[in-house]
Amino acid sequence: NAGVTQTPKFRVLKTGQSMTLLCAQDMNHEYMYWYRQDPGMGLRLIHYSVGEGTTAKGEVPDGYNVSRLKKQNFLLGLESAAPSQTSVYFCASSYSTGYEQFFGPGTRLTVL
Amino acid sequence: DAKTTQPTSMDCAEGRAANLPCNHSTISGNEYVYWYRQIHSQGPQYIIHGLKNNETNEMASLIITEDRKSSTLILPHATLRDTAVYYCIVRESGYSTLTFGKGTMLLVSP
Repeated sequence: NAGVTQTPKFRVLKTGQSMTLLCAQDMNHEYMYWYRQDPGMGLRLIHYSVGEGTTAKGEVPDGYNVSRLKKQNFLLGLESAAPSQTSVYFCASSYSTGYEQFFGPGTRLTVL
Repeated sequence: DAKTTQPTSMDCAEGRAANLPCNHSTISGNEYVYWYRQIHSQGPQYIIHGLKNNETNEMASLIITEDRKSSTLILPHATLRDTAVYYCIVRESGYSTLTFGKGTMLLVSP
């Protein structure tokens, strides 16, 4: 099993550009999450999903959109990137409420 | 979720036990204590969790005080690979999300 994978690993954007980060899991997990981590900080939840076709806002949702069209994939979109969105983005998945979350390796995004 | 307080950093000699404290004085009866760690540049990794009884698995032990206001994560024989940021998180039963603080940076030295 690959676990949780993230694409791409690195990306540099210019202000105003758009992009989509892909998260995939092969553990048949219902729940998926997107976090961001800024230098010296803990992770902050952006959006999450409790099942295929559902999404919900986390702590810092502004400037991001998400979609969960397939159970195994969770996409994070930036419609108009801003320098404040420079961060490391982590995706995670879990079987259900209360179960451990498995994290991907992260995507390092720089917005110039 | 209840707030947690952890020391910013700790040191431990290789081979010795690492005892990482966490204060969660406002924890409520249906909130669990979770521990995750994050090795540099990697995604966080689950370690252990508990409600009120002490717990042990292949990675660590979790000791929760009787009043549940604090807990200690114990790595019995720390290795250099245990150098990481350790996060203590309190989460209410039935909630799916985690709230990460800044954690404790554990440095294991030879």
